[in-house]
Amino acid sequence: DQQVKQNSPSLSVQEGRISILNCDYTNSMFDYFLWYKKYPAEGPTFLISISSIKDKNEDGRFTVFLNKSAKHLSLHIVPSQPGDSAVYFCAATGKDQAGTALIFGKGTTLSVSS
Amino acid sequence: GAGVSQSPSNKVTEKGKDVELRCDPISGHTALYWYRQSLGQGLEFLIYFQGNSAPDKSGLPSDRFSAERTGGSVSTLTIQRTQQEDSAVYLCASSWATGELFFGEGSRLTVL
Repeated sequence: DQQVKQNSPSLSVQEGRISILNCDYTNSMFDYFLWYKKYPAEGPTFLISISSIKDKNEDGRFTVFLNKSAKHLSLHIVPSQPGDSAVYFCAATGKDQAGTALIFGKGTTLSVSS
Repeated sequence: GAGVSQSPSNKVTEKGKDVELRCDPISGHTALYWYRQSLGQGLEFLIYFQGNSAPDKSGLPSDRFSAERTGGSVSTLTIQRTQQEDSAVYLCASSWATGELFFGEGSRLTVL
């Protein structure tokens, strides 16, 4: 049973527009959420995170929004650039729970066209 | 190097053979994870080591899979009697604790 779900396997956006990647989770014990980005033949790299005490975290062009009541988070990329084309993984964990592994979604492939 | 190092980068084996995949985490990182990514799939959690605690093995798909972490550093993932469905990229990651993980480039396993 998937605890972290990314229901859109792919997303295509034009350069300069906003990219919105969505993620849903089912485990109410999750309180720390992260987004990772993965290029082909490379390991995933950390992008941005958010704690459940916040509903928004911004880092440059990247903003993550958290809606705890809906158990939903989203990653916004504005403006989107061709170099943003990659697979984006949503991940969650219980930050204060020692020994809890980071659980990933299946990923969304973002394609940004110039 | 400063990052997570995995070896081999590519491994082709015959069905039924045993394989070992190695991970050298970032020095000082207490947590070490193994994930795998099968074709068209996401990152599937396999096993997690945190300090001296008993590892979380809840993600291992069968008893053919095992992992060790010696001296709190290097880890080896062993797959016995490999099957074709074991073909995947096996990713290792390390961190100070739960949270931001630093991944290696992965070991691509192909079982013929």
